[in-house]
Amino acid sequence: GDQVEQSPSALSLHEGTDSALRCNFTTTMRSVQWFRQNSRGSLISLFYLASGTKENGRLKSAFDSKERRYSTLHIRDAQLEDSGTYFCAAEPINTGNYKYVFGAGTRLKVIA
Amino acid sequence: EAAVTQSPRNKVAVTGGKVTLSCNQTNNHNNMYWYRQDTGHGLRLIHYSYGAGSTEKGDIPDGYKASRPSQENFSLILELATPSQTSVYFCASGDAGKNTLYFGAGTRLSVL
Repeated sequence: GDQVEQSPSALSLHEGTDSALRCNFTTTMRSVQWFRQNSRGSLISLFYLASGTKENGRLKSAFDSKERRYSTLHIRDAQLEDSGTYFCAAEPINTGNYKYVFGAGTRLKVIA
Repeated sequence: EAAVTQSPRNKVAVTGGKVTLSCNQTNNHNNMYWYRQDTGHGLRLIHYSYGAGSTEKGDIPDGYKASRPSQENFSLILELATPSQTSVYFCASGDAGKNTLYFGAGTRLSVL
């Protein structure tokens, strides 16, 4: 069954606002990655986390280190270029190493 | 910078025909993956590999074969293509230690 549930499925933000995307996992995960897919279809890696938090500019991601059952991606001061589809991918602890399961994505549109 | 190259970028095939999608990576990564992306499903894992000579079934392997003749190359083979295999296919590579995935640009396959 589905192991990675992303929310929201779609989101519109005004420039300059903040928001958070979330991935819930139905099983314990070893690690999580976040990607952005642009309008050309290219998938760009944003973060890889085995625990804790990471920050890069206006983006910050966290992975629940205790239960390992959810991860978040925070976007601060949203800009037009942040538009795209965001995916999380997580590695279940109870399957083979390095086998990632993707969520269905969050389609983000930033408007002026 | 990680480099994953897919070919062809676009392919039109006939039902029952054989299709081979190729992927080459210059990162010396051990792990390679084939995903397909369909609306509403995110990316789903078809086959993956831990190194030359190894292929493993992913979550949706039926109708697909894979081949990893070398560290650099990983192919996805559709022996008898069907219209349900119309999709966008992504190849990725990852380091066995810190498995950040690096994706190719994708192959758009239409089976008529």
